[in-house]
Amino acid sequence: EVQLVETGGGWIQPGGSLTVSCAASGFSVSNYYLSWVRRAPGKGLEWVSVIYAGGKTDYADSVKGRFTISRDISANTVSLQMLSLRADDTAVYYCARVRRNLNHFEYWGQGILVSVSS
Amino acid sequence: ETVLTQSPGTLSLSPGERATLSCRASQSVSSSYLAWYQQKPGQAPRLLIYAASTRATGIPDRFSGSGSGTDFTLTIGSLEPEDFAVYYCQHYDISPPGFTFGQGTKLEI
Repeated sequence: EVQLVETGGGWIQPGGSLTVSCAASGFSVSNYYLSWVRRAPGKGLEWVSVIYAGGKTDYADSVKGRFTISRDISANTVSLQMLSLRADDTAVYYCARVRRNLNHFEYWGQGILVSVSS
Repeated sequence: ETVLTQSPGTLSLSPGERATLSCRASQSVSSSYLAWYQQKPGQAPRLLIYAASTRATGIPDRFSGSGSGTDFTLTIGSLEPEDFAVYYCQHYDISPPGFTFGQGTKLEI
């Protein structure tokens, strides 16, 4: 059974850093694209970042240069390191597995809240 | 980058009625990369439709997707109480690579 479990969220002051992680089970992160999607309070879904099976990464313009996605194949986890956090980064962050070739989000974690405020 | 515009923003209907939700792309897109999701409060999004018209595993047949080019539609044939939620369309761009969501349609009673 495919499962994705996010950890590491919480409250952080503007300008601070935080890393959220996603533990995958039921498949190997080395064989799939894994992505982060967020939903800010009162807003819609926003794609954040993806790491492809070959290790290449892409980012939304809103986080480029501040966020870094990575994976640990031995631990079967994917992480999102977030630097220079701003109030508008406040959101529930979801880890999601991408269906190969069709590029939609087929499995989702339960989400984790990141709150940026002073 | 493709922009997805969903309409209406809010749709007020009653159980048993038919719902028609629209997703318009700013340029012609591949139907293979067009998906629909449902999200309820406090829950993760759930995949409903992929490749514009294929229902995901376990999705009731009252949900159907159609469209091509720039205009796509999600139809819910006869609304059940559990269908009241927010619905998003999503697309993947090859160049520049990335994923895009529409702003969502809230389906309310």
